Amino acid sequence: GENVEQHPSTLSVQEGDSAVIKCTYSDSASNYFPWYKQELGKRPQLIIDIRSNVGEKKDQRIAVTLNKTAKHFSLHITETQPEDSAVYFCAERGSQGNLIFGKGTKLSVKP
Amino acid sequence: ETGVTQTPRHLVMGMTNKKSLKCEQHLGHNAMYWYKQSAKKPLELMFVYSLEERVENNSVPSRFSPECPNSSHLFLHLHTLQPEDSALYLCASSQGGNYGYTFGSGTRLTVV
Repeated sequence: GENVEQHPSTLSVQEGDSAVIKCTYSDSASNYFPWYKQELGKRPQLIIDIRSNVGEKKDQRIAVTLNKTAKHFSLHITETQPEDSAVYFCAERGSQGNLIFGKGTKLSVKP
Repeated sequence: ETGVTQTPRHLVMGMTNKKSLKCEQHLGHNAMYWYKQSAKKPLELMFVYSLEERVENNSVPSRFSPECPNSSHLFLHLHTLQPEDSALYLCASSQGGNYGYTFGSGTRLTVV
């Protein structure tokens, strides 16, 4: 079935360092890959997304890369700040049109 | 607020109770979703409604019953739940196609 694997499950970095979260997916027909950030006690919020016609997208300190051949995509956060601490979820759009989420990565940025 | 409103924010119910969760969106989206979020399965799809028709129920137990009376409102009716059903229930909406979801703030459900 459709599945998204996300790694690592937890990630701790020092403020100012970079953080990378990786996801792999199973459905080669998938063409939409969003990333969500969920702070403690709050709802998941879309932070960036990428469609299969591009290989990379950047928005200030956040970037996402997509390798369709290998079926994996990654979130890159540069110059991390304490407010980046949250759980991050990757997702792919499944064949039924709904999003299939990874299990999440808990990112901790230490000041 | 995000445009997707969920009520109540917190709910405690006994195993014999009947309650309903409500979700409302005014974003003009044509698809609405219920997700269950727990420690074991962070974002587990329960139900999908597209253009007010259910398109997937993902093998959810019958003690959960969704209702979508129009494109702006979605309900989740709860009946004879189990303690393991305690979780955060998130509603989301989308335009469909290659667009992301907008989530509501969720209902924290505790079954005692």
